[in-house]
Parts: sequence; C-alpha cells; structure tokens
Amino acid sequence: DAGITQSPRHKVTETGTPVTLRCHQTENHRYMYWYRQDPGHGLRLIHYSYGVKDTDKGEVSDGYSVSRSKTEDFLLTLESATSSQTSVYFCAISGFMNTEAFFGQGTRLTVV
Amino acid sequence: LAKTTQPISMDSYEGQEVNITCSHNNIATNDYITWYQQFPSQGPRFIIQGYKTKVTNEVASLFIPADRKSSTLSLPRVSLSDTAVYYCLVGDANNAGNNRKLIWGLGTSLAVNP
Repeated sequence: DAGITQSPRHKVTETGTPVTLRCHQTENHRYMYWYRQDPGHGLRLIHYSYGVKDTDKGEVSDGYSVSRSKTEDFLLTLESATSSQTSVYFCAISGFMNTEAFFGQGTRLTVV
Repeated sequence: LAKTTQPISMDSYEGQEVNITCSHNNIATNDYITWYQQFPSQGPRFIIQGYKTKVTNEVASLFIPADRKSSTLSLPRVSLSDTAVYYCLVGDANNAGNNRKLIWGLGTSLAVNP
C-alpha cells in the first residue's frame, strides 16, 4: 500500500472551533488532494496541491484552507468549524494529475 | 463543467460479467478516464484508466468509444468481494494544466449475490 497517513482518524469538535487535519505521505508524490465525502454527493474536491506552497481550490473550498510547507505534508484547516462540515475527509496523492491516485483511510469529523 | 452520470446501483451474481457505464460530456479531449472502487470505511482504490478504445489489466477492462462520451468498466466473473461502489473520474474540458478540474461521478453501488 502507498505510504499515506491521515490524522486524526476520528474527531468530534464544537461549532466555531478551529480544526486541522493532517495528511502525510512517504511516496514523494507531487500532487496531494483533500476531498470530502457525503451521502448523495460522492467525492468532492476541497483543495489540492501541485507542489510545496502551490495550492489551488477545488469545488467546495469555502470555509477551508490548506498549507503545504513540505512535500510530505498537506494540512487542511477549518478555521471555524460548522455543522455542515461534518463529513468524512480523504487525502489522496498522485505523481501526476489524473493518474493513479492513492487514498488515505479517511478522517471522520463530527461538528456538534 | 463536465458532468458524469452513472447508474445508482446494480445487482449481479457470482461468476457473471458486470458492465458499468458512465456517461460524460464536456470532458477534456486529452485527459484520462479513470475508474475507482471503494469499500465501506475505506478510501477509493484505483482500478483502471484509459484514454481511448480498450484497456485491460488483471482486474478489469475499460471500453471507451471514439467520441469519448461514455466509458464502460467491465468486471469479468465477479465474486462477493467485488461488492463495492464504483466511480468514474474525468477531467473537465474548460480547464488546463495545474488548474484542471477532475470530476467524480456519484458512484454505482454494485451488489454481488451468491
């Protein structure tokens, strides 16, 4: 399996608090992605990165920010969590965009 | 924006061939069409990818007609362990380079019965 680790795996937080999810890879892949997955919506891209300090928005980026200061780490931050951000979050990596991507195990985030 | 359409669900029996079709329009002319498999509580897993005609690997085949307005994932002789959700993924025609947008289908839930 590709070396990709998400942390934490589960988190419950209160509305209005900041939350940071971490994605760590050991594959030295250029591209890293953050998705959220909700029933009825499938996978939706939040943000992605195509290199250190190079990021771009996906289709559901409002309320989220990302940072990539090292090749191996891609952080997703919810500045002020809302109940609508309750979801399962997946990180993915790939060598090139739209080539085989490897996904992490997911983080289940609940905002109460 | 590119749009994809897949059947919501399909049923099959062990040993049968299963074909799942994804219709897609406004996709990038020079980008791959990709399929993923997802089991409950796991991240999606890459199955196969193609640009045109037919691609085959050890687990599946992918058929893409010349107009690239659809793609069909073919799973030969399915088993119970193939019960999963299958997603198609395409690139949007209106973006390029690092700003390319990848569009996921909503997935087809395949149930394989004994």
